Amino acid sequence: AQSVTQPDIHITVSEGASLELRCNYSYGATPYLFWYVQSPGQGLQLLLKYFSGDTLVQGIKGFEAEFKRSQSSFNLRKPSVHWSDAAEYFCAVGARSNYQLIWGAGTKLIIKP
Amino acid sequence: EAQVTQNPRYLITVTGKKLTVTCSQNMNHEYMSWYRQDPGLGLRQIYYSMNVEVTDKGDVPEGYKVSRKEKRNFPLILESPSPNQTSLYFCASTSGLGQDTQYFGPGTRLTVL
Repeated sequence: AQSVTQPDIHITVSEGASLELRCNYSYGATPYLFWYVQSPGQGLQLLLKYFSGDTLVQGIKGFEAEFKRSQSSFNLRKPSVHWSDAAEYFCAVGARSNYQLIWGAGTKLIIKP
Repeated sequence: EAQVTQNPRYLITVTGKKLTVTCSQNMNHEYMSWYRQDPGLGLRQIYYSMNVEVTDKGDVPEGYKVSRKEKRNFPLILESPSPNQTSLYFCASTSGLGQDTQYFGPGTRLTVL
């Protein structure tokens, strides 16, 4: 079955600390992978996406993600978080042949001052 | 400015009273979809449309209807709302197949009493 797992419902990190949000997927076709962010009271905004090529992709707001095919993972990282990064983060997977995305349940990031 | 708009942003209604949530995009996108977001479940697709007059069910279509008479508009209709449809709803649009960015509206928070 196709699925996306974000194992951490909540993560709390101190401002200035590094961050890694985990995403694992199960998908039959070659996956296209996405991270979206949802700030409080807002819609979702694309952070970054991976289709092919370099497995380390850079996104907006200083985020990056690494695609590891052998581990079926696409973890999101940031070297130093800011209070404005407090939000919910969603991983999603899709395919070249269709429009539909499969979404993870989300990880809520809490920033400690 | 490229955007997806939804109205209303907040709605409280009673069981059985028909309602419509409007969605409009100004990017000439062919593909539009509706999601509901519930805590711990991430985003689940309700319906999607690949073009005018072409709609199809997503993962959780029961109790919902949609129409796509114009490319820019994709309203979500609840003919007889029930309390289990209390949720946060998002409209999204994209121009391309699975690899393209989805643009999200700001969300509609619906409460059915």
